Parts: sequence; C-alpha cells; structure tokens
Amino acid sequence: DTEVTQTPKHLVMGMTNKKSLKCEQHMGHRAMYWYKQKAKKPPELMFVYSYEKLSINESVPSRFSPECPNSSLLNLHLHALQPEDSALYLCASSQDHGYSNQPQHFGDGTRLSIL
Amino acid sequence: GQQLNQSPQSMFIQEGEDVSMNCTSSSIFNTWLWYKQEPGEGPVLLIALYKAGELTSNGRLTAQFGITRKDSFLNISASIPSDVGIYFCAGQDSGYSTLTFGKGTMLLVSP
Repeated sequence: DTEVTQTPKHLVMGMTNKKSLKCEQHMGHRAMYWYKQKAKKPPELMFVYSYEKLSINESVPSRFSPECPNSSLLNLHLHALQPEDSALYLCASSQDHGYSNQPQHFGDGTRLSIL
Repeated sequence: GQQLNQSPQSMFIQEGEDVSMNCTSSSIFNTWLWYKQEPGEGPVLLIALYKAGELTSNGRLTAQFGITRKDSFLNISASIPSDVGIYFCAGQDSGYSTLTFGKGTMLLVSP
C-alpha cells in the first residue's frame, strides 16, 4: 500500500469542465511533486513544491494550476483541458527537495481521460 | 539535458531465470534509484543507491551504483510471475535537481 494517496483514481471530463486532483501524504515530507505519465513511458515532471511554495514549474500550460494548501496536501486544478492531456497523473513526495539522499515516493495516480 | 539509456527495452523470460537490466548516462549522478511499476499503479521504490560502488540487495533484487557514477544495474534472481512490470531507473545529480528517468524495461515472466 502506498503512503501517498491520490483521489480520484479515475476521472473522465469534457474539455470545458473544471475539476481537481488531490494528493495527500502523512509521512511528514516537505516536498511534493506532480508528474504526467503516458502509457509505457517514464513520468514527466510538471511541478515541485518545497515547504508549500512552488519551486519548479516545468513550463506546464496554464490550464494546469497546482496548489499546496498545507504540507500534507497537494491539488492540481484542471480547466479547459485538451484530449492530449489524457494521461496518468502521479503525485510524489520526499522528505526535502534539497537533499538527493531522500528518494521520492509515488502515489497510484489518477487516470484522466479528456473527451 | 541529461539522458539515461536503459536496456533492454523489454524482456520475456521463463519463471526461475535470472534477469539483468542497466542504465547508463553521459553525465555523473549522485543518486541512483530503481522503481517498479505495475499496471494501474504508481512506481514503487525498490532500491536507492547513494555511493559510487555501492551494492545493495532487497530480497531477490540486487542493484549497484557504478564506480564512474555514470551507470547502474539491477539484477533479479529466480524470477517469479509477480515480477512482471516496468522497471525504471532514475538518477539525480544534486539535491535541488530533478529526477532523470530511463525509458523503462518491461519484464514479462512466463510461468
């Protein structure tokens, strides 16, 4: 069982909808990440939050809007998505983004389908 | 940017066989990680390596951090059907850098 919990597990939405993905961890980690993963490909980093502040945005389109309400929660707000945005969205956390000896732990993801 | 070459791309083996896969890089990493991903799930951390030359085991899995810091391998001994999945290597060069992933090795095990 993963210690990073993501909801919902599956989401189908139209291109004009607004929805949110949620991620929660209770390991006391201070760094949280959003990744996008296409089938049989490695995860691609989207955003990094460190101590609840956005520290990396990998040139992600503004239709994806991250939010970190507190150290345990990470949201990804979705609006006006395109069919090519259909993918598995993974959340990960690590103790601190500043140390390379603290590996990232992933949730099971939200499978997103855009109609 | 940095690139990781992971091989083989896929393997189809018989139960009980040993498996070896590796990752090589054109640049140095300070951390090597090996993850396994099964269908419908997120990547699960198998082994983390932090020192050049380090050899670490986790049950039937053994991984090594290459001396040059530019490569790592993962061995699975006596494979079983539940070893099926995609195995990703990932490297990190410093604390504030992001993970660089290999393209993955898909492992299929025939009973």
